[in-house]
Amino acid sequence: AQTVTQSQPEMSVQEAETVTLSCTYDTSESDYYLFWYKQPPSRQMILVIRQEAYKQQNATENRFSVNFQKAAKSFSLKISDSQLGDAAMYFCAYQVNTNAGKSTFGDGTTLTVKP
Amino acid sequence: DAGITQSPRYKITETGRQVTLMCHQTWSHSYMFWYRQDLGHGLRLIYYSAAADITDKGEVPDGYVVSRSKTENFPLTLESATRSQTSVYFCASSAWNQPQHFGDGTRLSIL
Repeated sequence: AQTVTQSQPEMSVQEAETVTLSCTYDTSESDYYLFWYKQPPSRQMILVIRQEAYKQQNATENRFSVNFQKAAKSFSLKISDSQLGDAAMYFCAYQVNTNAGKSTFGDGTTLTVKP
Repeated sequence: DAGITQSPRYKITETGRQVTLMCHQTWSHSYMFWYRQDLGHGLRLIYYSAAADITDKGEVPDGYVVSRSKTENFPLTLESATRSQTSVYFCASSAWNQPQHFGDGTRLSIL
């Protein structure tokens, strides 16, 4: 079974600084997707960024970027120029290409942004 | 507006009662999912569906029943609620190999 591990239950960052959230996963598959979701206090699950495993180039969405290391099975999220609105729980998720779209989620990292 | 809607948003019930959580999506996505989120944990998959009339168990299916007679609806039923089923429940839908879109969740408390 696939597992997703987020080793940092809590992280904090100063406003305007950069923070990196870690995620590792275990799989024997070669074709899969990785996601980062954000869950603010409102409880919504919001997609932050997506990475296809076959792409070597790291995905980027504005201030959010990933460091995808396929051999190491590592998928970290970097948030640059942190803003107060970035405070949330962040979940890393893994999805096999052929597995009916099922995703496996990590336990989350709570990010606090200090003004 | 297109989207995914869960109802109710909050529900309090008693042990032993039957309760149904509703999920409706307007995108005609093939795939639909039910997760539960407990304090300090990520989302755990309860059931999923690849199409109308096709459902399958996820990681934590015991005590739950689902059906999917129409593509857009995927209700989740707790046949005899237990306190251990107190949780926040999320419904999600997706197209093939696309990210999942989530509803706003249902906070269920079982007394």
